[in-house]
Amino acid sequence: NAGVTQTPKFQVLKTGQSMTLQCAQDMNHEYMSWYRQDPGMGLRLIHYSVGAGITDQGEVPNGYNVSRSTTEDFPLRLLSAAPSQTSVYFCASSNNRESPLHFGNGTRLTVT
Amino acid sequence: GNSVTQMEGPVTLSEEAFLTINCTYTATGYPSLFWYVQYPGEGLQLLLKATKADDKGSNKGFEATYRKETTSFHLEKGSVQVSDSAVYFCALSDPLTGNQFYFGTGTSLTVIP
Repeated sequence: NAGVTQTPKFQVLKTGQSMTLQCAQDMNHEYMSWYRQDPGMGLRLIHYSVGAGITDQGEVPNGYNVSRSTTEDFPLRLLSAAPSQTSVYFCASSNNRESPLHFGNGTRLTVT
Repeated sequence: GNSVTQMEGPVTLSEEAFLTINCTYTATGYPSLFWYVQYPGEGLQLLLKATKADDKGSNKGFEATYRKETTSFHLEKGSVQVSDSAVYFCALSDPLTGNQFYFGTGTSLTVIP
């Protein structure tokens, strides 16, 4: 049972480069989300999706794009990386508000 | 709006000591409340949850009671072990949409032998 799978685990980018963080879940969860974790800030919601074809912004969406073409996948795109986007990124999914979030193991991104 | 406030860390305890990590919340409705734990290099894992007032969540010796009157969900454990060293996050789910989770800033716990 894979759960939530994130790739890559580590990534180093130069300012201005673009990349996509991948997230896939095999639990048929409708809800998927992306968080970033920064020291002293806890987890902050970037974007989320309540089902295929539906996405919405969270607390800190600027500089990130998402799409949800299938129930399983929810990639996060950085179009032009900035040093302020250096962080650990977590993808999470769940069924409904009483169900807990299932997290991936994270992607550690460094932008130089 | 919705928010979660948890006690600042880091917390350092000796093995077998009693643990309390405070968590209070603000929400417009009746949220579900959660404690998550993050071990080094890993993602967050659910530790326990409570979905309505006066519910007590428990797991692995940890407990937390949903107190609506004090808007609190404090985490407790009677006797901590070295293996409990981790970062603990309090969280709530948005009562209106059920789709957004709000997290506290996390409390780092180190248990020394």
